[in-house]
Order: sequence, then C-alpha cells, then structure tokens
Amino acid sequence: KNQVEQSPQSLIILEGKNCTLQCNYTVSPFSNLRWYKQDTGRGPVSLTIMTFSENTKSNGRYTATLDADTKQSSLHITASQLSDSASYICVVSPTNRGNEKLTFGTGTRLTIIP
Amino acid sequence: SQTIHQWPATLVQPVGSPLSLECTVEGTSNPNLYWYRQAAGRGLQLLFYSVGIGQISSEVPQNLSASRPQDRQFILSSKKLLLSDSGFYLCAWGRGRDEQYFGPGTRLTVT
Repeated sequence: KNQVEQSPQSLIILEGKNCTLQCNYTVSPFSNLRWYKQDTGRGPVSLTIMTFSENTKSNGRYTATLDADTKQSSLHITASQLSDSASYICVVSPTNRGNEKLTFGTGTRLTIIP
Repeated sequence: SQTIHQWPATLVQPVGSPLSLECTVEGTSNPNLYWYRQAAGRGLQLLFYSVGIGQISSEVPQNLSASRPQDRQFILSSKKLLLSDSGFYLCAWGRGRDEQYFGPGTRLTVT
C-alpha cells in the first residue's frame, strides 16, 4: 500500500530560526514528489516539485531534498518568518499510467512565534 | 493566467439536506478536475476526478456524486448529507496527474 508519513506532526519555533520537516514514503516506483504549503482555511500551494532523479530543489527560503534510495524527503526552511506558519504537505505521484491518485501525507503543522 | 474558484466558502447544513458545491476554472481549456476532502488531522482524500465533460471517476464509495456539465465546471453534490460529510472540500485542476492546482476550498459543517 502506498503511504506517505510526515514528521513531526506539529512544530513550534521562534521567528528567525531554521527548521526541517521530514517525509518518508513507500510509493514505488514514483514519478515525482511535491511539497505544498497550506495556510489555515486555504487550499494548498505548491512549493517545490522533484523528480526521482533530482536531489534538491529550492524556492526562496524553502529547500527540499530527496533521497530516492531511502525514500525520504525533507523540507528545510531558513530564517523562518511569521508567514511561514502553515501546514506543509508532502505528496508523491506514482508512475502508473492512467492512475490519477496521488498519495498525500497528513502534513506537519508549523507555528512560528515572535 | 489560470484561476480556480470555489463557492460557497463556508456552509452549514443540517443532516439529511442536499448539497451542491461548485468549482470553476478560468484561463485554460479541457483541464483535469478533482474533488478532494480534507478531514481534520488527516490527509487529502481524492473523491472524484474528471478528464472531460461528462467523464467522472469515483474513488471512494459514499453518498456524494460529481458532475461536469461544462468543460471548466465541476460540481459536487449530495441528496442527503451525513454528519460524516463534514470537512474541508478542495477542488483542483491540472494538465496531468502530477500537476494539480488547488482552489480556496469550502468548509462544510453538517449539524
């Protein structure tokens, strides 16, 4: 069964600090892995997307890494800001043709405090 | 540029009442369209997807249904809501499975 597990479930850090969120998946083979940011009461917004051959992808203060051998990804946020408070969701796409189902993690709830 | 709209933004309905949530996409043609539900503390659950007008695939057996009467319109319906239908409903569009852009969502509370 394809699964995506994220840790920690929630995280609280001080503004300006760095943090790293983890994503472990069992989807295999897979096409790509995305990290989404979801503000409370809003739809998810894509931050990064990586194919199985990519090791890292950056988007401003967000840097995602991928280890396809260990089936792990991480999202590193540097110099956190109050606006980074949100849920971060890891999503993995299988390579099955015609299969429209993505596998979503349950997310990490990040809270930045001043 | 493409935009996706959902309405209403919030909805409170009694058990047994009907439901109709609407999603429209602008700025693109023949998109793939998706309905997801997000329950508190749980990941997004794919409910329906559509690759064209009148083409609906259901992922989860339930008392919900979906329709696509126009190319860029996707509707989620129910004849009789259950308490368990409460949640955050998200519509998404994409050019392929790997590319999905989400709408703002509808918060449904069934009382």
